Amino acid sequence: DAKTTQPTSMDCAEGRAANLPCNHSTISGNEYVYWYRQIHSQGPQYIIHGLKNNETNEMASLIITEDRKSSTLILPHATLRDTAVYYCIVRSLTDSWGKFQFGAGTQVVVTP
Amino acid sequence: GAGVSQSPSNKVTEKGKDVELRCDPISGHTALYWYRQRLGQGLEFLIYFQGNSAPDKSGLPSDRFSAERTGESVSTLTIQRTQQEDSAVYLCASSLASQGGDYGYTFGSGTRLTVV
Repeated sequence: DAKTTQPTSMDCAEGRAANLPCNHSTISGNEYVYWYRQIHSQGPQYIIHGLKNNETNEMASLIITEDRKSSTLILPHATLRDTAVYYCIVRSLTDSWGKFQFGAGTQVVVTP
Repeated sequence: GAGVSQSPSNKVTEKGKDVELRCDPISGHTALYWYRQRLGQGLEFLIYFQGNSAPDKSGLPSDRFSAERTGESVSTLTIQRTQQEDSAVYLCASSLASQGGDYGYTFGSGTRLTVV
């Protein structure tokens, strides 16, 4: 029983912003939203995480709705190297990392 | 080392043979995890180690699968009498602790196992 739902795939033009949605309507108060991505033939890579407030780092921005039932990962200027599967995960800090589910994620294809 | 290292990167084996996969975690990371990823699918948790505590083996799919870790160092995942359904990428990850930690955990590049 997945805690998050994401679109299966999306395309994005190089240089444009990519906005990746994630629904997590059953998120509880102590659960964070994490985003990872997996480039073909590599292990998953951490991108960003947040609890309530919007977050930004050198890779991306994370916008979490006020009710925390959904969030959007924003890649501000997508490059061809951003083509990957993007996973949205909810997790509390008391959960073992090994117990949460990576779903199927969103396959993002960045085109020239 | 700088990252999680897994070896071999690719392994082709005949059905029925045993295989051993190795994971070198980031130095100082007390927690280590093994996952399996079948083609086009998400990650499937197999087992995790936290320091010297008994490992959580709840994700191992059968008794043909086992894993060991000595202290906070290298781990090996062993698959006995391999079957074709064992073909997958086996990913290892490590973290500073089994819970908490702002940046989650770091994955290796995986071992692609093909059973023929």
